[in-house]
Amino acid sequence: GAGVSQSPRYKVAKRGQDVALRCDPISGHVSLFWYQQALGQGPEFLTYFQNEAQLDKSGLPSDRFFAERPEGSVSTLKIQRTQQEDSAVYLCASSPNYYNEQFFGPGTRLTVL
Amino acid sequence: GIQVEQSPPDLILQEGANSTLRCNFSDSVNNLQWFHQNPWGQLINLFYIPSGTKQNGRLSATTVATERYSLLYISSSQTTDSGVYFCAVGPGKLSFGAGTTVTVRA
Repeated sequence: GAGVSQSPRYKVAKRGQDVALRCDPISGHVSLFWYQQALGQGPEFLTYFQNEAQLDKSGLPSDRFFAERPEGSVSTLKIQRTQQEDSAVYLCASSPNYYNEQFFGPGTRLTVL
Repeated sequence: GIQVEQSPPDLILQEGANSTLRCNFSDSVNNLQWFHQNPWGQLINLFYIPSGTKQNGRLSATTVATERYSLLYISSSQTTDSGVYFCAVGPGKLSFGAGTTVTVRA
């Protein structure tokens, strides 16, 4: 069956531009997580959805970061007025529920110039 | 949040050698996963192992939850085993260690 997919795979933005990153979770998975991975480091949690409800956004680094999952399936992570420090790989993961094994997408590599 | 420490940070192996990677964590967990990150950045699930022992081919893992550590064993290593290995723990949102970079030389 299909795994988690993300698009675009690569994104180059000029500083100050807005970007939108898409995640298609595994069909039927209730839980969806976003993580940020800086170069040479492990991924760090950003935000969590259970169906369409955003239950935890404690990892979002600033109010420029916004995520949504309006119909409980596809999710979009939006970054407004991008800064160079936003350059990273953004990973999406889905799971049958909050405590189960998570499965990751291939990530979106964002470069802010 | 839960602190996760992985050791060693780097490991260089000759093809055919065996190795052990360690993951220590600071609190009780009900989710522990081992991943292999390939050169293209994809996180490949190796084990979901909050407790006990599992084996999959040349890889096996053991988690001793009461003592807050997990071990990943690689036997008869191959060049395709090269990459970064991550341990991550929950509940729910995962806290990742810094990873162990494994290089297997032919």
